[in-house]
Amino acid sequence: DVKVTQSSRYLVKRTGEKVFLECVQDMDHENMFWYRQDPGLGLRLIYFSYDVKMKEKGDIPEGYSVSREKKERFSLILESASTNQTSMYLCASRQHGTNTEAFFGQGTRLTVV
Amino acid sequence: GEDVEQSLFLSVREGDSSVINCTYTDSSSTYLYWYKQEPGAGLQLLTYIFSNMDMKQDQRLTVLLNKKDKHLSLRIADTQTGDSAIYFCAVPFRNSGNTPLVFGKGTRLSVIA
Repeated sequence: DVKVTQSSRYLVKRTGEKVFLECVQDMDHENMFWYRQDPGLGLRLIYFSYDVKMKEKGDIPEGYSVSREKKERFSLILESASTNQTSMYLCASRQHGTNTEAFFGQGTRLTVV
Repeated sequence: GEDVEQSLFLSVREGDSSVINCTYTDSSSTYLYWYKQEPGAGLQLLTYIFSNMDMKQDQRLTVLLNKKDKHLSLRIADTQTGDSAIYFCAVPFRNSGNTPLVFGKGTRLSVIA
């Protein structure tokens, strides 16, 4: 059974903290993505990576950074958490190709207080 | 860039058919996807259609594609309470193998018993 696993289902962090969200996939996919999901706004792409050590900005990269040191792991970093980063964060992976589906993790609900 | 539009809400009675509509802007997309998100969970692929098809049927699901109008629809026959979820339309950005899927904002389907 293919899997994308996010390290936490729920997180509560304080304003100004550095926050790490971890995502691991076991399908040997080249592409990995971080989205945030907010009511009425759908899924918005934060960053993606198409290879180890490669990263590309998505639509809303401000306040975030990412790390991909190994193919199976893609980390999202909030350098200094703020209350407007309270959201559901979804990680996905996708094999290279135009007809490949994206597989999603279960999501991490982050609350910044 | 790619833009994907969906209505935000749909309410139907149990046993009726549901039709969820989606429009997109990039006519080069070869595959178009429908994802389902149940409460508190990540997204799961529901079905997809290749762009050289007009229709695809899979049990209670029918996908219709009008390439000329860039319009995609998902019909759920005999809608059940278990179909209550958020449904996302998704298309590949620039139809490239290593780029993200672009998602609509999602349609929240409520099924009334």
